[in-house]
Amino acid sequence: AQSVTQLGSHVSVSEGALVLLRCNYSSSVPPYLFWYVQYPNQGLQLLLKYTTGATLVKGINGFEAEFKKSETSFHLTKPSAHMSDAAEYFCAVSGAGGADGLTFGKGTHLIIQP
Amino acid sequence: EAGVTQFPSHSVIEKGQTVTLRCDPISGHDNLYWYRRVMGKEIKFLLHFVKESKQDESGMPNNRFLAERTGGTYSTLKVQPAELEDSGVYFCASSQVFEKNLGGYTFGSGTRLTVV
Repeated sequence: AQSVTQLGSHVSVSEGALVLLRCNYSSSVPPYLFWYVQYPNQGLQLLLKYTTGATLVKGINGFEAEFKKSETSFHLTKPSAHMSDAAEYFCAVSGAGGADGLTFGKGTHLIIQP
Repeated sequence: EAGVTQFPSHSVIEKGQTVTLRCDPISGHDNLYWYRRVMGKEIKFLLHFVKESKQDESGMPNNRFLAERTGGTYSTLKVQPAELEDSGVYFCASSQVFEKNLGGYTFGSGTRLTVV
């Protein structure tokens, strides 16, 4: 069984400040990990993913995440927040090697203060 | 290429009525998934098609939900009869076979279903 915990349903940062969205997972198999973003009235868009290899993953729009197996974490960061980053962010996990479907966290609303 | 298309984008129906949601995946994508997000909760997996076959329907809530994918192209999700707790946003996603577990899922914009 897999699960994902996202700490904080809402995170507020100032424009230009560091963005840190936390994600912890549990998985009985080596996980594939994902971050998705949903802008208002749009679908889910893949930000970045970790499957195998390098544990620091770079995604679109300046976001990156680091897979830390010892901490079962996959936190999302961005050095400098932009107003356009305001959206809801979802962490998700799937099992490697043939598991179907994604298990999502509850989502985190990122609020950017001017 | 065209993305994953879902319609309607919004649907408001009365309890006890029937509603059918449709998803058109990206052309050539054999894998099609349905997910649902109930307000305040996480997005949950409902089922997975490979072409026209149901690969995994372990997430379907009950037998009031029926998903089909005739011909392995578009898919429909019918709720009959609808209950209040069925309200939420229903997402569809598709992927190519070799990307199935590599994050190559493309999501649609979702159908917001409200049962009153």
